[in-house]
Amino acid sequence: DQQVKQNSPSLSVQEGRISILNCDYTNSMFDYFLWYKKYPAEGPTFLISISSIKDKNEDGRFTVFLNKSAKHLSLHIVPSQPGDSAVYFCAAHTNRDDKIIFGKGTRLHILP
Amino acid sequence: EPEVTQTPSHQVTQMGQEVILRCVPISNHLYFYWYRQILGQKVEFLVSFYNNEISEKSEIFDDQFSVERPDGSNFTLKIRSTKLEDSAMYFCASSESGGGGPLGGVTQYFGPGTRLLVL
Repeated sequence: DQQVKQNSPSLSVQEGRISILNCDYTNSMFDYFLWYKKYPAEGPTFLISISSIKDKNEDGRFTVFLNKSAKHLSLHIVPSQPGDSAVYFCAAHTNRDDKIIFGKGTRLHILP
Repeated sequence: EPEVTQTPSHQVTQMGQEVILRCVPISNHLYFYWYRQILGQKVEFLVSFYNNEISEKSEIFDDQFSVERPDGSNFTLKIRSTKLEDSAMYFCASSESGGGGPLGGVTQYFGPGTRLLVL
C-alpha cells in the first residue's frame, strides 16, 4: 500500500546548486503534505508543509510545490548546503484519521 | 525550542518480555502519536491519542500494544509480550491540533526515537 511514493532512493547535488526532491501520491483525500528531514539515529525533523488547497509554500531556502492534478509534489532546496545531506521523507496527512503516511525517503548527498 | 523527548534511547529485551517506551511530548500539545520504523523500511503509523483515549490505530497496533498518559507529561507505549519482529525504531510525536484544527495545524513533531532490539 504505497499511497506516498518517492521513486528516487538517492540524489547527489553539487553544493550551491538546487536540490529537487520529488514525491507522488495516490489518495486525493490527503489534506496536508509535509516534508521531514532525518539524520541517522535521530527522529524525523519537520521542514515544511503545504495545504492541499495551495500550490506553493516557501520558507527560506525551502519551497514546496504541489500539483494536485498530477498528484505530485516537490521540495526545492536552493542553494544546497553540506548540512542538507540527510534522508528526506515526503509525508501526507489525512484529516479523516489524523495520521501521517510517509514515503520511503530519498537520501540527499550534497557534494563539495 | 521545545522538543519531544524519548527514553530510553536503546532497549534490548528478550522475546516474550514486556517493554515500556516513554515519551514526553511538547508541553502545550494535545495530540500524541507513536510510529515505528523497521530497519530499511519506511516510518509507519501505529496509534494516535487524544483526550485520554485512542483516536486511531493501525493494524500493526494489536492487543499486545497499549498506550497510556499516566500523568500530565508522559506518554507511554507498552508492548506486553515482545516478538522478534517488534525490533524497530519507535518514534513518539505530538501536535498542537490534530486534523481539523482551526488553523489546520497538523504538523507532528517527532522525538529522537527508541531503538528496540528483541532477542
